[in-house]
Amino acid sequence: RKEVEQDPGPFNVPEGATVAFNCTYSNSASQSFFWYRQDCRKEPKLLMSVYSSGNEDGRFTAQLNRASQYISLLIRDSKLSDSATYLCVVNSKGSYIPTFGRGTSLIVHP
Amino acid sequence: GAVVSQHPSWVICKSGTSVKIECRSLDFQATTMFWYRQFPKQSLMLMATSNEGSKATYEQGVEKDKFLINHASLTLSTLTVTSAHPEDSSFYICSARDRRHADEQYFGPGTRLTVT
Repeated sequence: RKEVEQDPGPFNVPEGATVAFNCTYSNSASQSFFWYRQDCRKEPKLLMSVYSSGNEDGRFTAQLNRASQYISLLIRDSKLSDSATYLCVVNSKGSYIPTFGRGTSLIVHP
Repeated sequence: GAVVSQHPSWVICKSGTSVKIECRSLDFQATTMFWYRQFPKQSLMLMATSNEGSKATYEQGVEKDKFLINHASLTLSTLTVTSAHPEDSSFYICSARDRRHADEQYFGPGTRLTVT
């Protein structure tokens, strides 16, 4: 089983839709969690950190479920510009080497 | 957020030559930098972890003699692809950990290497 797993998609949604991605992790000692966004042929950019209490930034909401070992990203009112690959990143306690998921592709169409 | 630069942004070189890529943290000190490679439509692959003042730690399958990493200061790490071959053509991305926010890493814009 991979350490960090994501559904590669693509998720094809119309503008204005709400879409959610999950990311599961296998290491129960995982300590910090992030969502990154990567556009085609560009570097990943930090979208948001994921805290135990959840994290909301505008249309984006991230949640952590430690019991089930997954994090989620919810995007409300999707925009065309949200089309990208969303990467889940997990750091384990005592290790500073991040583990990346393979990414989930989102396509928002008119 | 913190800013990481990479230079060059793209390079075309002939087979057998060496290419040096620089990664700089512009507004913070980075004790640790990471080097990744990404082939088209594939996920990021960690190549090595670069620690300031010490030898880099390479991932399994990455040749340390081919991919030379130097992290001489808290703001600069370099990756040299020696004797490049067409199969080394890829998108090379560095990232740096911000000491002030130990778990967050910020990525450079990447270097697209094409070996002919």
